[in-house]
Amino acid sequence: QVQLQESGPGLVKPSETLSLTCTVSGGSVSSGNYYWSWIRQPPGKGLEWIGYVYYNGVTNYNPSLKSRVTISVDTSKNQFSLKLSSVTAADTAVYYCARTQVTTIFGVVVVDWFHPWGQGTLLIVSS
Amino acid sequence: QSVLTQPPSVSGAPGQRVTISCTGSSSNLGAGYDVHWYQQLPGTAPKFLIYANSNRPSGVPDRFSGSKSGTSASLAITGLQAEDEADYYCQSYDSSLSGSHVVFGGGTKLTVL
Repeated sequence: QVQLQESGPGLVKPSETLSLTCTVSGGSVSSGNYYWSWIRQPPGKGLEWIGYVYYNGVTNYNPSLKSRVTISVDTSKNQFSLKLSSVTAADTAVYYCARTQVTTIFGVVVVDWFHPWGQGTLLIVSS
Repeated sequence: QSVLTQPPSVSGAPGQRVTISCTGSSSNLGAGYDVHWYQQLPGTAPKFLIYANSNRPSGVPDRFSGSKSGTSASLAITGLQAEDEADYYCQSYDSSLSGSHVVFGGGTKLTVL
């Protein structure tokens, strides 16, 4: 079955750029059936969708983060990645990657559900 | 503040039935977008629980059920078990003038007494 695994530095300084990678096994990011998302959860708080990428590089981001987010895909490595610029303490969170089920209605992509999820990686923003 | 509103906590005794509500608006649940539910056990990633309002993925016990009507949805758990103690999140899609994106509820902590 498909499994996802996040990897990253664990600690980033304020104002720097956060970079995380999700490695997919047991399936292919090039499968046209799914999109691939990043979701985060600050300590003790709820879930926040960051954005998704499709195998062809098409992306969509949460409007609240759009100016700082870049999500990309590397089909040769079966990975997708997240970059979040100008981080602050408010970006401290567990970051999850997840396979994303979508529905396309008249050419418009609507995100359905997330399954499976990676185990998550804690990213702390601190000097 | 989350776009989808859930009660912060619910509780019930073993064997009882509990429900968790998820209230949205005309730009998400009321616009016809489906609601999905996740269970998050302490220290673990969310687990896919209910999809498209009322469908259970393979392996999810039939003690868990979901429904949706208008701008509201609910998750019901019957025959409560200690292992059900977790945080539960609803999720949907929202489309408004500010853009289209995924939205989550704030989460509900279920305590099994």
